[in-house]
Amino acid sequence: DTGVSQDPRHKITKRGQNVTFRCDPISEHNRLYWYRQTLGQGPEFLTYFQNEAQLEKSRLLSDRFSAERPKGSFSTLEIQRTEQGDSAMYLCASSSGLAPGELFFGEGSRLTVL
Amino acid sequence: TQLLEQSPQFLSIQEGENLTVYCNSSSVFSSLQWYRQEPGEGPVLLVTVVTGGEVKKLKRLTFQFGDARKDSSLHITAAQPGDTGLYLCAGAGGNDMRFGAGTRLTVKP
Repeated sequence: DTGVSQDPRHKITKRGQNVTFRCDPISEHNRLYWYRQTLGQGPEFLTYFQNEAQLEKSRLLSDRFSAERPKGSFSTLEIQRTEQGDSAMYLCASSSGLAPGELFFGEGSRLTVL
Repeated sequence: TQLLEQSPQFLSIQEGENLTVYCNSSSVFSSLQWYRQEPGEGPVLLVTVVTGGEVKKLKRLTFQFGDARKDSSLHITAAQPGDTGLYLCAGAGGNDMRFGAGTRLTVKP
């Protein structure tokens, strides 16, 4: 399967712990996006990479959130000192330079902060 | 910030009925996408519209992009239970893609 894969699919953690999510995009895609989605809402943009460069960050991305894409391939999203309000589905998507608006999403990583 | 407003927020209909959902913005988009999302999964791309006034058909789904490229509609003919899901529109206006809150469609058999 050459689609976007995310790991883990589910994560339950206690408030104050750190969590890290990984995303492996479609191999030939140079653009990678992270979104957060809560129940009843559409995906909220968090950050965007073109190759290894992080080109845009949402104001939603507080200093507890950090994302990397060190070699322009896979990406990680880390949340430090988690809060209950961080509970959400974290979605990763990738796209090619030929059709940058057409995003291919992974199945998401669902975070529950107790 | 480019806001995309979708309406209605919820829609519940019987199998065989027709429906239209809307995506509106005060901003102009270079392209607009429609996605369908099922519970526990990521959104799946349905279509991209690029040209003002463009109409695209995907089986029973008809997508239209407004002349001014600020709004779009999705019309489903003879809806089926398999059409049930969250329909999202998204606009490309720069480096990021912004999504509307979606229309949650339920088609009852």
